[in-house]
Formats: sequence, C-alpha cells, structure tokens
Amino acid sequence: DQQVKQNSPSLSVQEGRISILNCDYTNSMFDYFLWYKKYPAEGPTFLISISSIKDKNEDGRFTVFLNKSAKHLSLHIVPSQPGDSAVYFCAASASGAGSYQLTFGKGTKLSVIP
Amino acid sequence: DTAVSQTPKYLVTQMGNDKSIKCEQNLGHDTMYWYKQDSKKFLKIMFSYNNKELIINETVPNRFSPKSPDKAHLNLHINSLELGDSAVYFCASSQDGGDYEQYFGPGTRLTVT
Repeated sequence: DQQVKQNSPSLSVQEGRISILNCDYTNSMFDYFLWYKKYPAEGPTFLISISSIKDKNEDGRFTVFLNKSAKHLSLHIVPSQPGDSAVYFCAASASGAGSYQLTFGKGTKLSVIP
Repeated sequence: DTAVSQTPKYLVTQMGNDKSIKCEQNLGHDTMYWYKQDSKKFLKIMFSYNNKELIINETVPNRFSPKSPDKAHLNLHINSLELGDSAVYFCASSQDGGDYEQYFGPGTRLTVT
C-alpha cells in the first residue's frame, strides 16, 4: 500500500534544461511535503518543502508545486546541472495527527547530461 | 562537524548475533528516528524518540530495540539477527515532529550472512 508514489524510476535531462520530478499521494491527511536528494552511500539531504496551505514554494533553482485536488506535487529544477544527478525522494507527513512519521516514495534517479 | 553521525558505516555479521548501531546528533533537535531502506529502496520509519519517549513504534520485530541515553543519542540494538535484516539503516533527527524537516545520517549498511 504505497501512500506516496513516484512512478518514474529514472529521468535524464540535458544540462541547462528543466528537470521535472513528479510525486502522487493517496492519503488526504498528508499536509506537509518534502523533497530529499540522495547521493550514493550518503544519507538523504533535505532539499525543499511545502505546506498544504501553499501551492508553490521556491528556493533558488528549486521550485515545488502542490496540487491538493489532484494529490500531486512536482519538483522543478531550473537550470539543471550535472551536480543535480542523484536520487530524489518525495516524502509526506500528517502533522496534525501528532504523527512524526515521514512516508517516502521510492525515489526517482535523475541524470543530468553535460 | 557532522550534524547526524552513525557508527559503524558498514557492519557484516552472522545470523543469530546481536549488534548495535549508534547515532548522535549535534543539532539540538528534540526528535530522533530510525529508518530502514530495504532492497527495494523504500525508506521506512522504524522508531522515533521525542524527549526520551518512544512516540512511534512501527510493526518491526521486537528483536529491534531503540535506546536513547540522552536527547542527542538514539542507538539501535538488534538481537538474533536474521538474513532479512540486511539493509541500510538511517538515523535522522528533527526539531519537532511533523512540519520540520528531518536531517539524516550517512547510513549503516548491515549485511547478515
């Protein structure tokens, strides 16, 4: 029962172009969403987050969009750089329930081609 | 100056042994977590501790036990190791649960032979 789904296991993008990573969720209790970036043999690194009261959050080259009605969020990276090549995990939490749990998607491996 | 550190990074052991993985955070966070990343690459929560109290205990075998001597440490003890316990275990911490991002350690790759 995957509550957070990342349906694309991999994505290849040319350097300088836009990378769009997608994430869908099924649990309507989720109200906080995060993106993590992971390099091999390292732990996930927090990238950007968004609360359900917003539909967009931007931080430099990274923008996360949230569509609550569609239960869909996406991460845009513009422009993409070779150093962005990593696995990106989408995560969600239902903070109001007193839960401290993050539910992760399976990840999307992004390859940025120089 | 590592924020969340774990030791050891690699752990190879035989079935039936008991082992521990240590985790320390120097961020002053209130909550610490243990996650397991299995062979299918899913990251799943195992435990979390807030101010020395266990607040989540997912359906993990009771061979796994978290121990928190203080707010900065959350160690994971595993008894009677089984082949299926082979995975990468990540420790994490956050300022508070829910809305605050979690910071992860580098992971411990456990291999049970």
